Amino acid sequence: EAGVVQSPRYKIIEKKQPVAFWCNPISGHNTLYWYLQNLGQGPELLIRYENEEAVDDSQLPKDRFSAERLKGVDSTLKIQPAELGDSAVYLCASSLTQNTEAFFGQGTRLTVV
Amino acid sequence: QQQVKQSPQSLIVQKGGISIINCAYENTAFDYFPWYQQFPGKGPALLIAIRPDVSEKKEGRFTISFNKSAKQFSLHIMDSQPGDSATYFCAASRVRVRGSTLGRLYFGRGTQLTVWP
Repeated sequence: EAGVVQSPRYKIIEKKQPVAFWCNPISGHNTLYWYLQNLGQGPELLIRYENEEAVDDSQLPKDRFSAERLKGVDSTLKIQPAELGDSAVYLCASSLTQNTEAFFGQGTRLTVV
Repeated sequence: QQQVKQSPQSLIVQKGGISIINCAYENTAFDYFPWYQQFPGKGPALLIAIRPDVSEKKEGRFTISFNKSAKQFSLHIMDSQPGDSATYFCAASRVRVRGSTLGRLYFGRGTQLTVWP
């Protein structure tokens, strides 16, 4: 069974440019998470979806970050405009429900120059 | 505020030795405590998890010890191997009650384990 698939794996952009990350969760998983992992730190939740509904986006910087999960399957996380401090790894995870273990993708490493 | 505090930041162990990583939490509502293993360039992978109704859980060489009264839990890796060299994260969350902020994993800052051959 395929795991959580993220793309791209790496992205380098200039500051003030937009960027988007894509996530395909494990088939049948209703809960999808986007986490931010800074270098040398543990992941921090940005947003959590139950099917297509964002049920926890309290940590998402809504002035520049947006996310969507149309049809409750794939999800896209967007940053516009990107800032130097956004350089990090963006991890997507999914779980069958909010009460079951989460499986992580390999992440997208973003470098803003 | 760091919800889960993890120590040590780095750990060097000889092959065959025991690796011990400790975590502490404050929120008594947490009821799910997983440990994740992360290799460079990879996402975290669930290693082992425990609920607060048991004090210990063992899976192969990996054991979680849980002390509810002290609000602490630890990961023990027996017979540590060079292939165990990775970053380990403890985490905590609430899973028993539905709600908009539940199901979120709060991670520690990680422990970089190096096992020398």
